[in-house]
Amino acid sequence: GAGVSQSPSNKVTEKGKDVELRCDPISGHTALYWYRQSLGQGLEFLIYFQGNSAPDKSGLPSDRFSAERTGGSVSTLTIQRTQQEDSAVYLCASSLATSGEQFFGPGTRLTVL
Amino acid sequence: QQQVKQSPQSLIVQKGGISIINCAYENTAFDYFPWYQQFPGKGPALLIAIRPDVSEKKEGRFTISFNKSAKQFSLHIMDSQPGDSATYFCAASMGAGRRALTFGSGTRLQVQP
Repeated sequence: GAGVSQSPSNKVTEKGKDVELRCDPISGHTALYWYRQSLGQGLEFLIYFQGNSAPDKSGLPSDRFSAERTGGSVSTLTIQRTQQEDSAVYLCASSLATSGEQFFGPGTRLTVL
Repeated sequence: QQQVKQSPQSLIVQKGGISIINCAYENTAFDYFPWYQQFPGKGPALLIAIRPDVSEKKEGRFTISFNKSAKQFSLHIMDSQPGDSATYFCAASMGAGRRALTFGSGTRLQVQP
């Protein structure tokens, strides 16, 4: 079946603009994760959704970052007033609640000029 | 606080040799330890994972060794091939894997023909 998909694959934006990144998890996966991969910080957890439970937002670096998951499937990560330090690859992963094995998408490369 | 320390940062191995990557963790609540392989431009892909009730797990040429008392685990790649050249990440999570992953800093492996 299809894996995790993310769009866009690349996004270039100007400092101060808002961006939205999309993730389509594997069908049937109830858990969804967002991570950020940057040269200086490696792979960092951002936010975790599990079913209808309140999301774990403990990894979000500032209040400019938010995410939502509609209908238990598609998720959108929004970064407001982007800064140059937000430049990174944003990765989405999904898993079955029972297994914990996370499957990653190809990522969205965000460049903030 | 870096909860998972990974070494070496980079590794060059000859074809047919053994590649060894080490990780150490601090949080004793971790109970799921996966290794991910990442090729340039792709998202991380799960390679092999272990839980702390076993000391070793082998899948093909890949073996995880786990030392609970030392809070260390390692990945061994036997008969390394040029196609294994990639970046490898160890990770850890709590709650039988149904939580966000904490990643090591990554090891860039180059297998020379």
